[in-house]
Amino acid sequence: QLQLQESGSGQVKPSQTLSLTCAVSGGSISSGGYSWSWIRQPPGKGLEWIGHIYQSGSTYYNPSLKSRATISVDRSKNQVSLNLTSVTAADTAVYYCAREVDYALFFDYWGQGTLVTVSS
Amino acid sequence: QSALTQPPSASGSPGQSVTISCTGTSSDVGGYNYVSWYQQHPGKAPKLMIYEVTKRPSGVPDRFSGSKSGNTASLTVSGLQAEDEADYYCNSYAGSDNWVFGGGTKLTVL
Repeated sequence: QLQLQESGSGQVKPSQTLSLTCAVSGGSISSGGYSWSWIRQPPGKGLEWIGHIYQSGSTYYNPSLKSRATISVDRSKNQVSLNLTSVTAADTAVYYCAREVDYALFFDYWGQGTLVTVSS
Repeated sequence: QSALTQPPSASGSPGQSVTISCTGTSSDVGGYNYVSWYQQHPGKAPKLMIYEVTKRPSGVPDRFSGSKSGNTASLTVSGLQAEDEADYYCNSYAGSDNWVFGGGTKLTVL
């Protein structure tokens, strides 16, 4: 059974960089046919897609983030990472990593999420 | 890109059916058959319930069904049960490697 576990900085100061890692177990992040996404949810609000990374290494991001997000993979550690620069209080959210099925464009496995609070 | 439009709340009694709508544009919901629905219980991660508009993953009860007409997708829950009470989110591919979610609907089982 595939499992995803997010970890990283729980509290970040405004203007600094948020860094999160998603450890994947029970399967390889290099399995064909799948991409890896980050999705966030501000407290009490809805879901927002942040971006994703294909097996090729190509990345695509939500235009609303204005180039602040970077997603990368470490195949040796079976991990996916997210960096979000110049954070503000509006970036306070639960951050999820999710596996995306390429042929049908849906998210079939999700991590349990990790809360990141932006506060001085 | 704008979020897809969902009603904030929906409700029904046990055994009844309820339908949740998800309205987008011709650039997302109306343009692709890549609409998916997710169920989220409080404090939990979202769970896939429907993909490609109408398809159910294994393990999801057939009480859950999806459809689409024009720019509006719908999720119908038939034979409501207490455990169906949750938040539901629609998601659509929006072209150019972008995805957009709906604002979410809180389903209450009366």
